[in-house]
Amino acid sequence: EPEVTQTPSHQVTQMGQEVILRCVPISNHLYFYWYRQILGQKVEFLVSFYNNEISEKSEIFDDQFSVERPDGSNFTLKIRSTKLEDSAMYFCASPYRTRGYTFGSGTRLTVV
Amino acid sequence: GQQVMQIPQYQHVQEGEDFTTYCNSSTTLSNIQWYKQRPGGHPVFLIQLVKSGEVKKQKRLTFQFGEAKKNSSLHITATQTTDVGTYFCAGPSKAAGNKLTFGGGTRVLVKP
Repeated sequence: EPEVTQTPSHQVTQMGQEVILRCVPISNHLYFYWYRQILGQKVEFLVSFYNNEISEKSEIFDDQFSVERPDGSNFTLKIRSTKLEDSAMYFCASPYRTRGYTFGSGTRLTVV
Repeated sequence: GQQVMQIPQYQHVQEGEDFTTYCNSSTTLSNIQWYKQRPGGHPVFLIQLVKSGEVKKQKRLTFQFGEAKKNSSLHITATQTTDVGTYFCAGPSKAAGNKLTFGGGTRVLVKP
């Protein structure tokens, strides 16, 4: 079964610092998504990425966030100046046929 | 925007008992998906329902899609400790990008 790989699994950063979260989605897929989940809360949509462009973004995805596909396989989410409220699990996801989304194991971001 | 709501938020179940969790969307859905997230884990796809009134079973789990395609339910019979986790329903948006909007989830705790 195809996998979505995320690194790092845990990132601790100081407030105001930049972080880059990495994802290797299912190959040959055009759609990729980033979601976040604050501890104990719902899974929230951040951004969708289609054919190397942002196709939709949520209100959460402000100017501090950016996504890139620096090469043919990796997919990154950058937060330029982290805030305490950015602490959450960040999940990358790819749709897979009729089997919904395949989520990566996530990156736990802790901003201190 | 599209909203997906789930009740109950928490479900405490005695091992061996049955329970049902409910999902309601503010808009008609093309399909409804269910995910399970174990504590500390990532959402894992369980099933997708597409047709109005559709019912699907996976062992002790029964999923139903409402006639109006705006609500869904998950019924678990003879609950086991392995059923512990949070169950999310999710529906795709009609906008480009086909993002999933997740419900708040039902957190299931099983008492042995």
